This record gives sequence, C-alpha cells and structure tokens, in this order.
Amino acid sequence: AQSVAQPEDQVNVAEGNPLTVKCTYSVSGNPYLFWYVQYPNRGLQFLLKYITGDNLVKGSYGFEAEFNKSQTSFHLKKPSALVSDSALYFCAVSGHTGGFKTIFGAGTRLFVKA
Amino acid sequence: NAGVTQTPKFQVLKTGQSMTLQCAQDMNHNSMYWYRQDPGMGLRLIYYSASEGTTDKGEVPNGYNVSRLNKREFSLRLESAAPSQTSVYFCASSEAGQGRNIQYFGAGTRLSVL
Repeated sequence: AQSVAQPEDQVNVAEGNPLTVKCTYSVSGNPYLFWYVQYPNRGLQFLLKYITGDNLVKGSYGFEAEFNKSQTSFHLKKPSALVSDSALYFCAVSGHTGGFKTIFGAGTRLFVKA
Repeated sequence: NAGVTQTPKFQVLKTGQSMTLQCAQDMNHNSMYWYRQDPGMGLRLIYYSASEGTTDKGEVPNGYNVSRLNKREFSLRLESAAPSQTSVYFCASSEAGQGRNIQYFGAGTRLSVL
C-alpha cells in the first residue's frame, strides 16, 4: 500500500532562518509528489509538485522541494522563513500502488517566530 | 474567481439528524472529491467523482452518500449523523483524476454532531 509520513508534528524556526519540513513516502513505481499549505480557517492551497525531471522543484512563495528517490523523501525547504509562512503543511503522494489516488500526510505545523 | 465554493461554513447537528453539504466549482473540472480532516490524521477521502455521472467510494465512505448533480456540483449527504462524524469537511476538484493533477479546495464546512 502507498503511504506518506511527516515525522514532525511541529517545526519551529526563527524569521530569516532556513526552514525544512520533512516528508517520506512509500509507493510502487514512480511517484507523483505534492506539497499543500493550509492557513487558518481556509482550504488547502497547492504549493508545488514533482512529476518527473529535475529533482529540485520550485513553487509558490519561495518554497522549493527536493525529490530524493534513494531516500524516498520529498522535503520542503525555504532559504529564509517569514512569519507569514506559519501554517499547516501537507505532503501528498500518488502512484500506481493506490490506483493513482492521492494520499495525504498528517500535516506539519510550522511556527515562524519574529 | 470563485473556484470551489462550499456551503454551509458551519453546522451543528443532533445525533440522528440529516443534512447535505453542497459544493460547486466553476473551473470546468471533471473530477471532484469530498474529504474529512481530523486532527493528526490529515485528509481522508470519503467519496470522489472522476467524471460527471460517476461516483466511487474512498477511504472512509461509511455513513455518507454523494450525488454528482452535474459537472459543477457534488453534494455530500449524512443520512443519520453520529458524533464520530464531527469533523471539517473539504470539497476539492481537479481537471482530471488524481495522480498528477493539482486539486483545488474549498474553504471547508465545520460540522459538530452532538
């Protein structure tokens, strides 16, 4: 069965510092990988996705993610965090194993301190 | 641009009552989805509709029914609400099925069943 794990419930970082939100996955064949962000009382918004090609994917609001096939990871990164980046972040994966249904991780709450 | 619109935003039900959550999208998307979001569990797929005229069960369909009324609208019905159905419900749509396609989410319906 396909699965996705976000090992950290919460990540705290100071404004201006780099941030990383971790995601690992398990899927048969080549995965499709996504990051979504949820602000309070809002629905999820798409940030970026990996389908194929360059392992470093750039997305909205200065975020990027690196696909690492050997480590089955797709960590979300940003070089310099902003207070406004504070939100709930979801990693998602789909692949052959699950009939290309999308599975979401449990979410990681990011707090950026001023 | 309205995107995905859900109504109502909030609802309180008594155990055994019924209600329908409404969802409409104006992006001419073929596929629509209903998820529930519970703390620490991410998003779980309740039902989806790959295209107009078709619906399929997701991960947690028990206690729910859906109707794909037309290409724009996809409703979720709770026939006899239970406290376990207290959750935040999200509707989403995508151009085609899951897999590589980005999903666009509504703002959610917060449902409490007493």
